[in-house]
Amino acid sequence: DAGVTQSPTHLIKTRGQQVTLRCSPKSGHDTVSWYQQALGQGPQFIFQYYEEEERQRGNFPDRFSGHQFPNYSSELNVNALLLGDSALYLCASSLADRGGNQPQHFGDGTRLSIL
Amino acid sequence: GEDVEQSLFLSVREGDSSVINCTYTDSSSTYLYWYKQEPGAGLQLLTYIFSNMDMKQDQRLTVLLNKKDKHLSLRIADTQTGDSAIYFCAESPLGYNKLIFGAGTRLAVHP
Repeated sequence: DAGVTQSPTHLIKTRGQQVTLRCSPKSGHDTVSWYQQALGQGPQFIFQYYEEEERQRGNFPDRFSGHQFPNYSSELNVNALLLGDSALYLCASSLADRGGNQPQHFGDGTRLSIL
Repeated sequence: GEDVEQSLFLSVREGDSSVINCTYTDSSSTYLYWYKQEPGAGLQLLTYIFSNMDMKQDQRLTVLLNKKDKHLSLRIADTQTGDSAIYFCAESPLGYNKLIFGAGTRLAVHP
């Protein structure tokens, strides 16, 4: 049973560039959430995708965008990179919330460094 | 408002019990979670508790919830060196599908 997989594991970019991170959800899951974890902090919610649409969004600028594909996999895109975007980006998958508990399962993340 | 607070560091001796504490602010949260993060890895779901429960036990893990005080704790019995990691408490506010995390508690287990 494959868990949540993310690629790449590490990435180095320079200010102003654009980046795309990828996530494949755990088998059977249909909902993907993205989080940003700065060094020494807890993860911060970026947004969530279900049925190929953004369902919820955290307090992140429009430079952060995403996409979900028919096979439930997802991409996170960040434009005009800033030094402050350096962080571990975590993808989590779950079943759609139908009023019960749908725990989110996390991948190992992509470590993004901005020079 | 949405806020989850945890103490930053805990040091215990191998074989002792560890208790990690957390307070949250959103009384609508229906589920509360504990995740573990080892160096260089993502978050591993350890356990969770529904807000109408006071306690949940799962092998060496015991979760206690005081909903009146919005206080959550995780007790690890017979703590081992492999338990050394950062532990995150998270709440899931009603009507939202996002998790709100604390800053994490770093657990150090020494011989």
